[in-house]
Formats: sequence, structure tokens, C-alpha cells
Amino acid sequence: GESVGLHLPTLSVQEGDNSIINCAYSNSASDYFIWYKQESGKGPQFIIDIRSNMDKRQGQRVTVLLNKTVKHLSLQIAATQPGDSAVYFCAENMSRNNAGNMLTFGGGTRLMVKP
Amino acid sequence: DAGVTQSPTHLIKTRGQQVTLRCSPKSGHDTVSWYQQALGQGPQFIFQYYEEEERQRGNFPDRFSGHQFPNYSSELNVNALLLGDSALYLCASSSWAGAPLFFGPGTRLTVL
Repeated sequence: GESVGLHLPTLSVQEGDNSIINCAYSNSASDYFIWYKQESGKGPQFIIDIRSNMDKRQGQRVTVLLNKTVKHLSLQIAATQPGDSAVYFCAENMSRNNAGNMLTFGGGTRLMVKP
Repeated sequence: DAGVTQSPTHLIKTRGQQVTLRCSPKSGHDTVSWYQQALGQGPQFIFQYYEEEERQRGNFPDRFSGHQFPNYSSELNVNALLLGDSALYLCASSSWAGAPLFFGPGTRLTVL
């Protein structure tokens, strides 16, 4: 498949360790945030989302933290596995007036898991 | 339950030509959005369709147009292709109420 993210920041972790991927967002009025995982040759895959009235949300092996004061979002992956290797994107909802989601994506981080 | 599907998978065109890409949303979804993803970058929002109308639009020229059909499927049309239009075109579907967007596998467009 094609390569996604030729010049992306890269996080390299050992299998079994925890991973933390960080993201800064741009608009203090954004009310909804999503993390996506994108493997080579595939479309982005939904991981977890969080609304602005929350600081933390947990899923299966993943946790998203939202710090509105500094406009920062992080994705924590517990017990990272080789299958977690991919490019990770954060996205914020830029739509207003209760319209459907219009996402602005960050630049992405490549996660490499070493066996 | 099929997810979002897109066709074709790959496409090669020459400058000045026109192209049509197709998308079928995930079952139960009524809103379709299109994104352009250049190599090495995150997806960029092109526009969104709901109830067969364009509801929101990103910073893309009028050469980019679309359509949504009564069965919620959608087409993206690009006229007068430029080399810079080479990218992965992603379709995403959701319910209008704002549930997360689910993306299709994309169509890789190469303009020569």
C-alpha cells in the first residue's frame, strides 16, 4: 500500500509499553474532538472521541485527555501492540450552528512499535 | 453491515480532464462528507452533504462539486484537473446528529 505520512513526527515504543501521542488544537471554541488511526493504504479508523464538557474518556486500551486551558489533546495507548503501528491524527470539529461535523485534522504522528 | 465504500480504488487522469468519484455511506448514515488527503498530511475538509444539499464547504475552489442522491450515496466531481489535485480522496459518513465520522478506504487520484 501507499505510504501515509512521509515526514511525520515519529514515536517509537517497545511492545508492551504505554504510548502517549500529543496534539495541539487551534480553536478554543471547538466542542468535539476525535482521534483516528490510519494504516498504510487505508482510510482513517475511528478510535475514540471526547466532547469539550469532559476532561477524560476511556475506551478499550485507549484514553483521551483534553486540556482546554492550553488547547491540548492526548491519546494514551496501554500495552502497545505491533498492530498499533500506524499514523495517528487528532481532529477538532470546526462547524458551528449545530451543523454536522466538519473536522480539521492535525498533522499526524507515526507510531512505531518495536517487538 | 458494510462500512463506507468508495469507487474506484485508483484513478489516473491528465491535466484538464474531469473526474467523478463515488461513495456509499455506512448503513443508517444520512450525511456524507468528502476530504482530500495529500501525501504526508492530514485530511482536509472539502464539503458535506445532507438531505441532498451541500451544507458546509471548506476552502476548495468551485472546480470541486458534489451531489447526494436520495439513497444517501454521493459523488465528488472535480473539473479542469491540476497536478496539485493528486491526492487520496476520502468519503466519510455519519448521522446528522453529530456522531463520529466513519471513513471509507479512499480513492487514490493521480493527475499527470
